[in-house]
Amino acid sequence: GENVEQHPSTLSVQEGDSAVIKCTYSDSASNYFPWYKQELGKRPQLIIDIRSNVGEKKDQRIAVTLNKTAKHFSLHITETQPEDSAVYFCAASKRALTFGSGTRLQVQP
Amino acid sequence: EAQVTQNPRYLITVTGKKLTVTCSQNMNHEYMSWYRQDPGLGLRQIYYSMNVEVTDKGDVPEGYKVSRKEKRNFPLILESPSPNQTSLYFCASNNFRSGDTDTQYFGPGTRLTVL
Repeated sequence: GENVEQHPSTLSVQEGDSAVIKCTYSDSASNYFPWYKQELGKRPQLIIDIRSNVGEKKDQRIAVTLNKTAKHFSLHITETQPEDSAVYFCAASKRALTFGSGTRLQVQP
Repeated sequence: EAQVTQNPRYLITVTGKKLTVTCSQNMNHEYMSWYRQDPGLGLRQIYYSMNVEVTDKGDVPEGYKVSRKEKRNFPLILESPSPNQTSLYFCASNNFRSGDTDTQYFGPGTRLTVL
C-alpha cells in the first residue's frame, strides 16, 4: 500500500518568513495530493490540493509543488502569520487517502 | 449546510463496555472512513466503505467493527473497548471524480477515553 513520509515534524519560523514542508510517497499510482491544516482540538481542514497532471498550484500565500518522477510534493507558505500556527498534514491517494505524520508549525511573532 | 457529524463528541467509558460512535454525512458521498489520531502518529485509517454494504479494513482495524446499511451513516463499533483504544476519532467522507479521490471532509471528532 501507499506510504507517506513527512518532514520536518516541527518547524519554527519568524513571522513574515516562509515555511516549507516536504512529503514523499511510495505508490506511483497515487494521483491526488491534499494538504490539511489542523488547529488544536479541531478537525483537519483542507487548505490546498493538487492532482498529478499539475506540477504546481498556488492560492494566495500557499503553494504546493509536485514532482512525480521523484515522488515528492511540498507545501510552501509565504509571509507567515501567527494564525498559520497549526499542525499540517500531507496525504496521497489513488482511492484511499494515506496521511503523513504531520508537521507542527509555530510562527513566532 | 454540507457537513459530516459525529456523536458523541466526548466519551469516557470502562474496559469491555460496548460502544458505538455514530457518523452521518448529508453530501450523498459514496466513500466514508474512520481514522484515529494519536500524538506523533498522525491520522491512521481504521475502516473505510466504498458504498452501501461495502466495507474494508484500513491500517489499524483490530478491535473495531463498522457497518454501512445506508449511504449517509457509517457507525464505528467497539465491541470490547480497551485502554489502548483511547484516542481521538474522526469520521470522513468524500466522492470520487472520474474514479479518483475528491475532497475529503472530516467530522468534528470524538475524544474517547477507555479506563
